[in-house]
Amino acid sequence: AQKVTQAQTEISVVEKEDVTLDCVYETRDTTYYLFWYKQPPSGELVFLIRRNSFDEQNEISGRYSWNFQKSTSSFNFTITASQVVDSAVYFCALRPTGGFKTIFGAGTRLFVKA
Amino acid sequence: GAGVSQSPSNKVTEKGKDVELRCDPISGHTALYWYRQSLGQGLEFLIYFQGNSAPDKSGLPSDRFSAERTGGSVSTLTIQRTQQEDSAVYLCASSTSPGRNTEAFFGQGTRLTVV
Repeated sequence: AQKVTQAQTEISVVEKEDVTLDCVYETRDTTYYLFWYKQPPSGELVFLIRRNSFDEQNEISGRYSWNFQKSTSSFNFTITASQVVDSAVYFCALRPTGGFKTIFGAGTRLFVKA
Repeated sequence: GAGVSQSPSNKVTEKGKDVELRCDPISGHTALYWYRQSLGQGLEFLIYFQGNSAPDKSGLPSDRFSAERTGGSVSTLTIQRTQQEDSAVYLCASSTSPGRNTEAFFGQGTRLTVV
C-alpha cells in the first residue's frame, strides 16, 4: 500500500521565520517519485519539485530547500525567510516509477503573518 | 491551450440533478487525471486516462460517477443524481506521459455545491 502522511495540519509563522513542512511516505515500490505542490488561495496546484528515489541529494531553489532521506522515508520541505506570499496549502505526493497514480498527502496549511 | 482548463469554475446544483464537468488538458498531454478535493482535505484520486482509455477507474466513489475522454483530449466527468456529499472541488490534471520523469499540471478546478 502507498501512503503519504503530512502530520502538520496547519502551521502559523511570522514573516522572515524559517519553516519546515514534514512529509513521510510509505511504499513497497523500489523506485518512485516524490513531489511537492503548492495550492494558493486561487486553488490551482503549482508544481514545486520532483525527486527520483535514486537521488538523495538535497536540493535548494532560492528560499526553498528539500531534504530527502530514504532511510526514514521522509521528504521534508523548508522555506527560509518566509514571506506572506508563501501562505498556501502545501501537498506532498508519491508516484511509483512506471506508474500513473499519484498519491497525495492531506496537505499542510501554512499561514505567514506580516 | 497554455494550461489545463476546467469548466465551469463553479457549479451549484440541486440534489438529484446530473452534472457534467469538463477538462481541457494541455495540448499533447496523453495522460489525464481527475481528483476530488473535499473541504480541508487532500486530493482523492478518481480516475486516470491514457489516451481515450481509462486503465484505472478504481477511485470513482460510486456508479453515479462516470468519465470519458474523446479524441485523446477533452474529458468529461459526469455525476448522476447528485448528493450533498458530492460537494467538493474537482481537479483535473494532465501530463505528457505517465511513469516518466514528468509532473502533472493541474487546472483551477470546478467547485461543485449540491444544495
